[in-house]
Amino acid sequence: DGGITQSPKYLFRKEGQNVTLSCEQNLNHDAMYWYRQDPGQGLRLIYYSQIVNDFQKGDIAEGYSVSREKKESFPLTVTSAQKNPTAFYLCASSIVGGTQPQHFGDGTRLSIL
Amino acid sequence: SQQGEEDPQALSIQEGENATMNCSYKTSINNLQWYRQNSGRGLVHLILIRSNEREKHSGRLRVTLDTSKKSSSLLITASRAADTASYFCATDAFMSGGYQKVTFGTGTKLQVIP
Repeated sequence: DGGITQSPKYLFRKEGQNVTLSCEQNLNHDAMYWYRQDPGQGLRLIYYSQIVNDFQKGDIAEGYSVSREKKESFPLTVTSAQKNPTAFYLCASSIVGGTQPQHFGDGTRLSIL
Repeated sequence: SQQGEEDPQALSIQEGENATMNCSYKTSINNLQWYRQNSGRGLVHLILIRSNEREKHSGRLRVTLDTSKKSSSLLITASRAADTASYFCATDAFMSGGYQKVTFGTGTKLQVIP
């Protein structure tokens, strides 16, 4: 079955540490997205990519970095510069062109140790 | 900034009743989508309604769109316990480079009591 796989499901970060969240899709989608969700709130866009080797900052990119070396993969690194990283992180993908439904993974919950 | 705001924030109903959620937005849109999120899971796309459409149906779901009032509603008929989830509206606008920016609202938390 096609879909998006996020790993790990739970992640703990120590002070000053960078951590990387994995996102892999086998839907053959060109566009991929990273969102942050805080309790009781909607989703906020961190980064998005419409094609391999290209990505753009979203609304809250500070303290985060991404890469898009392969169509299937869009890892997100939460750097030590992100002072409040505790949140639920969601990865999504879609077809490019017009308005397309986004397909989501099941998220990674990041907490601070 | 949040484009869509759902109302109510939380809704509790008995199984078999209808559930209505509303979404209001501020700026002109191309399309509006509704998503469902079960607790601790990712979002699932439910339905998309284009700005030139007024109503759309999908199974037990009915979505309306009033662009003059900048609002949309999602009606779930004959609700089931499995409908318990948070529901989000998402509006979009085309940005430079052809990118479709989707902005999600804060969601309505629906509880369906068996």
